[in-house]
Amino acid sequence: QVQLQESGPGLVKPSQTLSLTCTVSGGSISSGTYYWNWIRQPAGKGLEWIGHIYTSGSTNYNPSLKSRVTISVDTSKNQFSLRLTSLTAADTAVYYCARGPGSYYYATDYNYYYMDVWGKGTTVTVSS
Amino acid sequence: DIQMTQSPSTLSASVGDRVTIPCRASHSISRWLAWYQQKPGKAPKLLIYKASSLASGVPSRFSGSGSGTEFTLTISSLHPDDFATYYCQQYNSYSPLTFGQGTKLEIK
Repeated sequence: QVQLQESGPGLVKPSQTLSLTCTVSGGSISSGTYYWNWIRQPAGKGLEWIGHIYTSGSTNYNPSLKSRVTISVDTSKNQFSLRLTSLTAADTAVYYCARGPGSYYYATDYNYYYMDVWGKGTTVTVSS
Repeated sequence: DIQMTQSPSTLSASVGDRVTIPCRASHSISRWLAWYQQKPGKAPKLLIYKASSLASGVPSRFSGSGSGTEFTLTISSLHPDDFATYYCQQYNSYSPLTFGQGTKLEIK
């Protein structure tokens, strides 16, 4: 049973950089065709997809955050990470990592995925 | 971006009721839609994928339907544990993946 666990600082100052890690247990991050995602949720609001890294190492980011986001993977530690720069109060949220099992459709030459396993989330507050 | 619209934002119902929660996409997404349930302080939980496929371990009282731009999550008979917020999410395009704003199911 694959499990995900987020870790990182709970408090970060404005203009600084946030670094979060998601540790994958119960399976290898480099096996299969999976998309490893970051999603965030401000208090009392909806879910916002931040981006993903694919098993191959390719990435895709939400255009609204693309200039500030980097997602990377460390297969030796079975982890993937989020780096978000130039933080403001608007980045205060619960951050989740999630797994997406890819399903390739030849007709559209596209890998489709939903998110089937989620971490419990970690709260990040941006404040001086 | 593909916009996902969930209306109403709040729905009141009673235990035992049949409930339908709608979701609309701004562009056709075929059947590339997932539904999640979220309870306060918890991570979202996958209920339905590919519009109508039940995720593993999810009770059969949950079902999904629709294609193109109109989708529905149905709970055939509400249990006390079902009062939560429900989100739809399109995965037709990850430029970007997008969620609806959620429908909170409250006890009447």
